[in-house]
Amino acid sequence: RKEVEQDPGPFNVPEGATVAFNCTYSNSASQSFFWYRQDCRKEPKLLMSVYSSGNEDGRFTAQLNRASQYISLLIRDSKLSDSATYLCVVNGLNTGFQKLVFGTGTRLLVSP
Amino acid sequence: DAGVTQSPTHLIKTRGQQVTLRCSPKSGHDTVSWYQQALGQGPQFIFQYYEEEERQRGNFPDRFSGHQFPNYSSELNVNALLLGDSALYLCASSLGVGRLYEQYFGPGTRLTVT
Repeated sequence: RKEVEQDPGPFNVPEGATVAFNCTYSNSASQSFFWYRQDCRKEPKLLMSVYSSGNEDGRFTAQLNRASQYISLLIRDSKLSDSATYLCVVNGLNTGFQKLVFGTGTRLLVSP
Repeated sequence: DAGVTQSPTHLIKTRGQQVTLRCSPKSGHDTVSWYQQALGQGPQFIFQYYEEEERQRGNFPDRFSGHQFPNYSSELNVNALLLGDSALYLCASSLGVGRLYEQYFGPGTRLTVT
């Protein structure tokens, strides 16, 4: 089983739609979680950290369910510019050091 | 505020050769991590450097080695290149090694091994 699993998509949605991605992780000791966005042939860019209580940043909402070991990302009012691959990332260590484990990414295509 | 920079942007090497990739962290950051991203995959952790020492290592062979300099910049060296080493190599920097510290990526070096 992969440490971090995501549906690769693609998710095809019209502008203005709401879309949600889920991600599951296998290491119950993981302590920190992130969503990164990656455009084609570019580097991953940090979209948001995911906190236990859930957090929101504009049109983006991230949730963490530790009991079920999944993380979600909700995008409201999708824009064309949201088209990208969204990477779910988990810190695979419970020590003071980081070892980020990436999912393979979920591709989002927003159409006019 | 300078972000993470990497050089070179692209590189073509032949099987068996050696390559060195370079990374300068974001201003104020002291920790550098290296990742390999094959086409269609998420980045895979290679190793992390802090205080000029390798602190964590992923499942990569000893052909992959690194170094961190006193100014926090870092190098990734790969010896005896294989075709399978062709990938985008990403450097990420953070402030400290704590698990809550966010990592920021450079634009990457695209390595092609022929």
